[in-house]
Amino acid sequence: RKEVEQDPGPFNVPEGATVAFNCTYSNSASQSFFWYRQDCRKEPKLLMSVYSSGNEDGRFTAQLNRASQYISLLIRDSKLSDSATYLCVVHRTGRRALTFGSGTRLQVQP
Amino acid sequence: GAGVSQTPSNKVTEKGKYVELRCDPISGHTALYWYRQSLGQGPEFLIYFQGTGAADDSGLPNDRFFAVRPEGSVSTLKIQRTERGDSAVYLCASSSTAGTEAFFGQGTRLTVV
Repeated sequence: RKEVEQDPGPFNVPEGATVAFNCTYSNSASQSFFWYRQDCRKEPKLLMSVYSSGNEDGRFTAQLNRASQYISLLIRDSKLSDSATYLCVVHRTGRRALTFGSGTRLQVQP
Repeated sequence: GAGVSQTPSNKVTEKGKYVELRCDPISGHTALYWYRQSLGQGPEFLIYFQGTGAADDSGLPNDRFFAVRPEGSVSTLKIQRTERGDSAVYLCASSSTAGTEAFFGQGTRLTVV
């Protein structure tokens, strides 16, 4: 089983839609969580960190459920520019590197 | 510039050749990571440096891969006897401390023919 698992998609949604992605992680020692965004043929860039209490940044909301070991990302009022691959990223105690999921591809259509 | 810089951006090499990929991290970042990304996959961890030392090289696939960071800044990933399966985008990232936000370079696209 992969340490971080995501539905690869693609998620095809119309502009203005709300879309949610989930990500599960296998190691309960995981302590830090992030969502990165990656555009086609570009490097990953941090979208937002994920805090235990949940956090919001404009149209984006991230939630963490430690008991079920999953992280979610909600995007409201989708824009064409939101089309990208969203990578779930986990850092666990004792492992210095970030572990990435395979990514979920989002395509927002006009 | 202020970001992570990787050179070359593209490298085509013949099977069996040796290649070096360079990464110049953000100034002051002590943590440096190498990842490899194949099409449709997330970045796969290769090696992590804290300062000059390789603190975790558990992701290196075999002994053909080696990386150095002699002065705690620039790092070089070295691949010997390249194989077609080594073709991928090699990403370098740096962060101020381990486990915090990592900033990526634009990657080196390696193609082994």
